[in-house]
Amino acid sequence: EAGVTQFPSHSVIEKGQTVTLRCDPISGHDNLYWYRRVMGKEIKFLLHFVKESKQDESGMPNNRFLAERTGGTYSTLKVQPAELEDSGVYFCASSRLTSAYYEQYFGPGTRLTVT
Amino acid sequence: AQSVTQLDSHVSVSEGTPVLLRCNYSSSYSPSLFWYVQHPNKGLQLLLKYTSAATLVKGINGFEAEFKKSETSFHLTKPSAHMSDAAEYFCVVTQNTGGFKTIFGAGTRLFVKA
Repeated sequence: EAGVTQFPSHSVIEKGQTVTLRCDPISGHDNLYWYRRVMGKEIKFLLHFVKESKQDESGMPNNRFLAERTGGTYSTLKVQPAELEDSGVYFCASSRLTSAYYEQYFGPGTRLTVT
Repeated sequence: AQSVTQLDSHVSVSEGTPVLLRCNYSSSYSPSLFWYVQHPNKGLQLLLKYTSAATLVKGINGFEAEFKKSETSFHLTKPSAHMSDAAEYFCVVTQNTGGFKTIFGAGTRLFVKA
């Protein structure tokens, strides 16, 4: 089965610009998660979708970040306008069920650099 | 509150020698514990998981971990390191109670010398 894919793999943008990251989860996985790792820090939770609904968005840093999952398939994470501190690696993960017993399957990440 | 502490940011071993990557956790509820590995330009890959069954968990590529509730530890071990084990390793805690939460450790980078 195909894994979680993310696009683009790298993005370099200037402060103030807009960037949209995309995540395609494993087919059939209702749960989709976004995480971020800022350089030198831990991977931090951003939000969790169950199908097209936001189950938990408590980790979203501020209202410059907008995540969508229309139709319950792929998801996008838009940053508008981007700031320097948004630089980092953005990971997407998916899982079949919402349960602590089930592992999440991760994509390779999108490395975002804001200059 | 949940927390995960990986006690070493970097570990260096020689090929063929044992590997020990340390992880301590704090959780108010019965957690599930995972170890993931990330090789360069790859996604995080699951090595093994503990979900309240056997306390000694065997994973892929010869890795194993032991859940010790009294010590709140979940250290990752491997008897003999291989060059291909060089990567970054993450200890992860999840719990259902009080909402679904996932907490990552800061990661341990493993170097393997020939």
